[in-house]
Amino acid sequence: GAVVSQHPSRVICKSGTSVKIECRSLDFQATTMFWYRQFPKKSLMLMATSNEGSKATYEQGVEKDKFLINHASLTLSTLTVTSAHPEDSSFYICSASTGSLISHTFGSGTRLTVV
Amino acid sequence: DAKTTQPPSMDCAEGRAANLPCNHSTISGNEYVYWYRQIHSQGPQYIIHGLKNNETNEMASLIITEDRKSSTLILPHATLRDTAVYYCIVRVGGTSYDKVIFGPGTSLSVIP
Repeated sequence: GAVVSQHPSRVICKSGTSVKIECRSLDFQATTMFWYRQFPKKSLMLMATSNEGSKATYEQGVEKDKFLINHASLTLSTLTVTSAHPEDSSFYICSASTGSLISHTFGSGTRLTVV
Repeated sequence: DAKTTQPPSMDCAEGRAANLPCNHSTISGNEYVYWYRQIHSQGPQYIIHGLKNNETNEMASLIITEDRKSSTLILPHATLRDTAVYYCIVRVGGTSYDKVIFGPGTSLSVIP
């Protein structure tokens, strides 16, 4: 079945630095990938839709300059949290769709802690 | 996408069937019912989906009412590893660009 790999699984960074999270579709091409964040004991919140070869589409209230998304190939999307602050600490999850009805395979998530 | 309503939490004894309900009274004719689950600190996992017929796979069964306004996910013999948050989502599906919007879900605790 479709597999999505997300890296790193955990990262700790200092305030003010930037962190890049990678999302790869391993055995299929994904023209569209999605990025979510999740706070403790809360549901997943869609942040943005990543489109291969074009600009990402951000959900309302998500700062596009804070969360930079690049989808340079059909198998890789990256999320960069710029100038990270402690309030950016969260669980970030990506997903990619094969376009079939059984779609939206999710990555295993990245736990970001900003200290 | 249509909204769904699920109970916030449920308990189930290990080895018994877990029946998770979902209301989706505003579902459109071309929208599927999807179920995902999320085990703690992992990404969500697809379980099953259906349009109007009941469906069964190796993980679960999905029962959709005739009017399609509600459904029930059945885990026939719950194990401790089934403890997770279960999300019922209705969406058109079948394209690479349609979003999956998560509601609060049902936190299922399987008790020894």
